[in-house]
Amino acid sequence: AQSVTQLDSHVSVSEGTPVLLRCNYSSSYSPSLFWYVQHPNKGLQLLLKYTSAATLVKGINGFEAEFKKSETSFHLTKPSAHMSDAAEYFCVVIHRGSQGNLIFGKGTKLSVKP
Amino acid sequence: GAVVSQHPSRVICKSGTSVKIECRSLDFQATTMFWYRQFPKQSLMLMATSNEGSKATYEQGVEKDKFLINHASLTLSTLTVTSAHPEDSSFYICSAAVWGQLNTEAFFGQGTRLTVV
Repeated sequence: AQSVTQLDSHVSVSEGTPVLLRCNYSSSYSPSLFWYVQHPNKGLQLLLKYTSAATLVKGINGFEAEFKKSETSFHLTKPSAHMSDAAEYFCVVIHRGSQGNLIFGKGTKLSVKP
Repeated sequence: GAVVSQHPSRVICKSGTSVKIECRSLDFQATTMFWYRQFPKQSLMLMATSNEGSKATYEQGVEKDKFLINHASLTLSTLTVTSAHPEDSSFYICSAAVWGQLNTEAFFGQGTRLTVV
């Protein structure tokens, strides 16, 4: 069975400081992992994805994530937060190679203080 | 990249009426589409999996007679909210996945904000 756990429902950082949004997954098979961002009253935008190539994945807007199989983690990071990064972030797992569901984490709300 | 178009983006309807939401994959064929519902300040909840040419698979607790799903072609799935009530007001999002050993990815529509008055 697949599942995704986002360890923090809310993260607050100051502008210019690093961002860490945590995600742990469980999957019986090789997973594909994604991070999506959702700004208020908007749809979902793909930030980055891991699909078995490099374990360190770089995405848009300076975000990156590292797939660590031994820790079953796929944490999202950014060196320096910007006010425009304030949004809801979702970690998603999908079983690669066959047709399974997209499993969403519960989301992490990122607040950025001036 | 692949694009999923969802329409309408916003709809207001009267209680008791039905509303249809369309989800189209514009440049790829989607044998499977997913329908999600999102309540304010909450994550996406999978409602059903829509399979082309067959009946949709509904998640536990989702009324199949209320949320009718039709996936008549490889590029179109529709969700019809029948006899809508104010508690059906929500943000509905569809998704289509491209399956592959190395390049599996999910693409999302922009969502539909449904308000039932």
